[in-house]
Amino acid sequence: QQQVKQSPQSLIVQKGGISIINCAYENTAFDYFPWYQQFPGKGPALLIAIRPDVSEKKEGRFTISFNKSAKQFSLHIMDSQPGDSATYFCAANLRRYGNKLVFGAGTILRVKS
Amino acid sequence: NAGVTQTPKFRVLKTGQSMTLLCAQDMNHEYMYWYRQDPGMGLRLIHYSVGEGTTAKGEVPDGYNVSRLKKQNFLLGLESAAPSQTSVYFCASRSLDRAGEQYFGPGTRLTVT
Repeated sequence: QQQVKQSPQSLIVQKGGISIINCAYENTAFDYFPWYQQFPGKGPALLIAIRPDVSEKKEGRFTISFNKSAKQFSLHIMDSQPGDSATYFCAANLRRYGNKLVFGAGTILRVKS
Repeated sequence: NAGVTQTPKFRVLKTGQSMTLLCAQDMNHEYMYWYRQDPGMGLRLIHYSVGEGTTAKGEVPDGYNVSRLKKQNFLLGLESAAPSQTSVYFCASRSLDRAGEQYFGPGTRLTVT
């Protein structure tokens, strides 16, 4: 199974709140898990990424939590700001097939001020 | 350093017409990818290339062809456009040693009527 299932489809959070986006996968051959952020009219940009041998990675207000046994990973955005309003994609890398990325369907985040 | 650029930014085609989308990168990246983005479906890989002169099929290759004659350029062709190919197309590239970290262009919005 090469799918990555992402939820929720959309999320509204108050300024200062915590935004949480979840992803799940089946294929144990995935070896790297990046998150991408996309603003309207722009291409996706790498936000933060984690390897499966690490349970958590934090960069500023963004944290990835990774549960290898459950095959789940999530993005937490602390102290969410209106400027964080964007579409977020989780992804999983397959070393075979040219190290291709399999993307989740995306979550549209809106942070209300 | 322009990163990844795509031309054109917008295009409207009639069913049956052909066109070529151009992607160029100035980061000396080995790998290049073409994706299409449709609402609620994330990004789906059309074709990819692991080096100059090589190409391979992704998830949704039907109706598209690609060429990588020069390392910095990756062309996506539609020989006979169909309404189902209405989408936003993104090109991405990455270096050999940075699996999962792809750099995306700004996208081409294509409408087929």
